[in-house]
Amino acid sequence: KAGVTQTPRYLIKTRGQQVTLSCSPISGHRSVSWYQQTPGQGLQFLFEYFSETQRNKGNFPGRFSGRQFSNSRSEMNVSTLELGDSALYLCASSLGYLDTLGQFFGPGTRLTVL
Amino acid sequence: QQQVKQSPQSLIVQKGGIPIINCAYENTAFDYFPWYQQFPGKGPALLIAIRPDVSEKKEGRFTISFNKSAKQFSLHIMDSQPGDSATYFCAASIINFNKFYFGSGTKLNVKP
Repeated sequence: KAGVTQTPRYLIKTRGQQVTLSCSPISGHRSVSWYQQTPGQGLQFLFEYFSETQRNKGNFPGRFSGRQFSNSRSEMNVSTLELGDSALYLCASSLGYLDTLGQFFGPGTRLTVL
Repeated sequence: QQQVKQSPQSLIVQKGGIPIINCAYENTAFDYFPWYQQFPGKGPALLIAIRPDVSEKKEGRFTISFNKSAKQFSLHIMDSQPGDSATYFCAASIINFNKFYFGSGTKLNVKP
């Protein structure tokens, strides 16, 4: 099976702009979770989507949003970018319930906000 | 409140040594504890995981020890190799809720 893919891999934006990141999960996986990884804060959970519905949410401002499509692909959007949004954004897919196999991560999208 | 606390932050061992990374959690509802390995420029990769009904699990050179009463679990890497040099993350979740809490990570350096 192909792994989790994320596009784009690298992105440079300026403050105030918005950005959309994309994640394609492993075939058959219905859950997609998004994480922000920074050197200072580590891996922080953004939100999880399961069957097109947001099921879990972390403690991020409303500028961070996401959605999931019927084919389980997911997008994450960040509006009004701030310098502090510079990070590696990771998505992870899993079966979504009674899941003892864990989450499988993509390579991430490195976002730099200037 | 940090749900999962991980230590040490960094670790240096000689080749063949046995690095040990420790994690502690608060929520007794957690029932799934995976470990992830991350190399620079890559996403974390699932290494090994344990459920609270067992006290130890081995997969190759990687062993998880689990102490339910102390709410602690640890990763041991037997016969460590330079190729094991990476950042390791512990995590905890409630399986049916599929929400994972990660430790802060341990950067391991295995010297030749």
